[in-house]
Amino acid sequence: DIQMTQSPSTLSASVGDRVTITCRASQSISSWLAWYQQKPGKAPKLLIYKASSLESGVPSRFSGSGSGTEFTLTISSLQPDDFATYYCQQYNSLWTFGQGTKVEIK
Amino acid sequence: EVQLVQSGAEVKKPGESLKISCKGSGYSFTSYWIGWVRQMPGKGLEWMGIIYPGDSDTRYSPSFQGQVTISADKSISTAYLQWSSLKASDTAMYYCARLSVITMVQGVPRGPIDYWGQGTLVTVSS
Repeated sequence: DIQMTQSPSTLSASVGDRVTITCRASQSISSWLAWYQQKPGKAPKLLIYKASSLESGVPSRFSGSGSGTEFTLTISSLQPDDFATYYCQQYNSLWTFGQGTKVEIK
Repeated sequence: EVQLVQSGAEVKKPGESLKISCKGSGYSFTSYWIGWVRQMPGKGLEWMGIIYPGDSDTRYSPSFQGQVTISADKSISTAYLQWSSLKASDTAMYYCARLSVITMVQGVPRGPIDYWGQGTLVTVSS
């Protein structure tokens, strides 16, 4: 099974900050990686697929990069609506989610 | 508009059976894989399994194989997740989700989730 490890688990930041979340795969997954945002009590929402492709309707302040085993999600300027939990997911071999990164207000 | 509408919250006792549903609309239900994802209270997302409603081809995560059954009725555009004997540890939110297939690799779909249901909360308590 492919394991996905996100860091950090929690991130404290202020509006306007540049935020970076890292996701590492236990083996190469090429670019078969997605990022999701989940707010309390809501279903997750797709932000990025194929490591760096922005889902339609997602603000351009979100970007993804990486390939192989190391990936990042970057929010260029954190907005109030962005405080949420973020998950990476590999879909190279079935599916595996990372454990999540909670972005909270500093 | 693509929608996945799940059945309502359930409260059950240990040992009882349960079947929850997910009705798709706004797209060709038989042409997209549907998956189920568990989220235990305060925890992360876990993939349980997927089904292709067109032919009921089903794949399970090793962690959930034998613990649940995934099925679909394409005549009413509905997918199901069922348990034969619930445990307290099955208490969780369950989401259905549509897989946006980018490619197939040796018969296995490869793609992210592009649409999610609203979730069904299952509580198992004596």
